[in-house]
Amino acid sequence: KAGVTQTPRYLIKTRGQQVTLSCSPISGHRSVSWYQQTPGQGLQFLFEYFSETQRNKGNFPGRFSGRQFSNSRSEMNVSTLELGDSALYLCASSWTGPAYEQYFGPGTRLTVT
Amino acid sequence: SQQGEEDPQALSIQEGENATMNCSYKTSINNLQWYRQNSGRGLVHLILIRSNEREKHSGRLRVTLDTSKKSSSLLITASRAADTASYFCATDSFQGGKLIFGQGTELSVKP
Repeated sequence: KAGVTQTPRYLIKTRGQQVTLSCSPISGHRSVSWYQQTPGQGLQFLFEYFSETQRNKGNFPGRFSGRQFSNSRSEMNVSTLELGDSALYLCASSWTGPAYEQYFGPGTRLTVT
Repeated sequence: SQQGEEDPQALSIQEGENATMNCSYKTSINNLQWYRQNSGRGLVHLILIRSNEREKHSGRLRVTLDTSKKSSSLLITASRAADTASYFCATDSFQGGKLIFGQGTELSVKP
């Protein structure tokens, strides 16, 4: 069974630009969660989608948004990028949600200059 | 703020020794999970322990949970160089839906 895939793996953007990251979950998984990982703040929950609906959201500004498609693939978008948005963005999929075993993708390394 | 806090932040041991990592959390939980991350890559799920369980084993891993102290520990026995990684505990609250990670313990196992 194919694992969770994330594209692109690396991305360099300039302040003020926007970016879209993509996540394809394991086949059959309906829950997709997104996390931001930085050296200073660690791993922080962004949001979780289940069957195309956002069920939970972390404490991030409205510049961070996401969506999930009918095939469970998910995208997250960050508008008006700031230097502090430089991070490893991880997505994870599971059958039911974050409370149970999650399968993580390799992450997208975003650098904002 | 992070739900979980882990100690030590870093641990260096020799192959064959045991490694113990501790995690403390703040609010009541449903489950507590442990994950491993190798050098800035994706996380790998290791073990899940439910709030009504006190101990769980999986291969060389042993996890304990003390809900009265809001703490958990992960023991890796007979460690190997391949165990070198960062280890994170993660909790979800009764409201569910959010998995909150600790800051992690960086384990280095020297051959």
